[in-house]
Amino acid sequence: KNQVEQSPQSLIILEGKNCTLQCNYTVSPFSNLRWYKQDTGRGPVSLTIMTFSENTKSNGRYTATLDADTKQSSLHITASQLSDSASYICVVSTTSGTYKYIFGTGTRLKVLA
Amino acid sequence: DAGVTQSPTHLIKTRGQQVTLRCSPKSGHDTVSWYQQALGQGPQFIFQYYEEEERQRGNFPDRFSGHQFPNYSSELNVNALLLGDSALYLCASSIDRIYGYTFGSGTRLTVV
Repeated sequence: KNQVEQSPQSLIILEGKNCTLQCNYTVSPFSNLRWYKQDTGRGPVSLTIMTFSENTKSNGRYTATLDADTKQSSLHITASQLSDSASYICVVSTTSGTYKYIFGTGTRLKVLA
Repeated sequence: DAGVTQSPTHLIKTRGQQVTLRCSPKSGHDTVSWYQQALGQGPQFIFQYYEEEERQRGNFPDRFSGHQFPNYSSELNVNALLLGDSALYLCASSIDRIYGYTFGSGTRLTVV
């Protein structure tokens, strides 16, 4: 069964600190993996997308890694800001079956001043 | 360049009523997908429209139906509303059926 699991469920950090969010998946065949940032009550916004051959992708203070062998991805946030408080969702795309996009349940990040 | 536009932003309905949500895709996009996101959960796929036809459907009852118009805009209709239908409904558009999703800001539906 295609699944995407994220950890931790929630995280609280102080402004200026770094953090790393994890995503493990069992999706096959794998097409690509995206990290989205979703502010409360808003639609998700894409941060990074990685295909099978890419193992790292950066977008400003956000750096995503992908290990296709172990089927794991991480999102590292550097020098966190209050505006980073949001849910971060890992989405794995497959070319097979009805559910082309398999969503994780997300990690809720809260950055405190 | 307008992104994905959804209307209304918020909606309150009574159990048993019917509701229609609307979505205008990003310019140049021809595929529209609808998702339901309950509080604290990831989005759940409802269905996808391409060339004015429902191409894929998730595990949702027939009370959920949709339509895509020639200008690629789309509607999501939900009949006989249940309390459990309360959620954020997200519309996502893309230029093909797999890649390049852009999400709208969603419609928050509350059923009382």
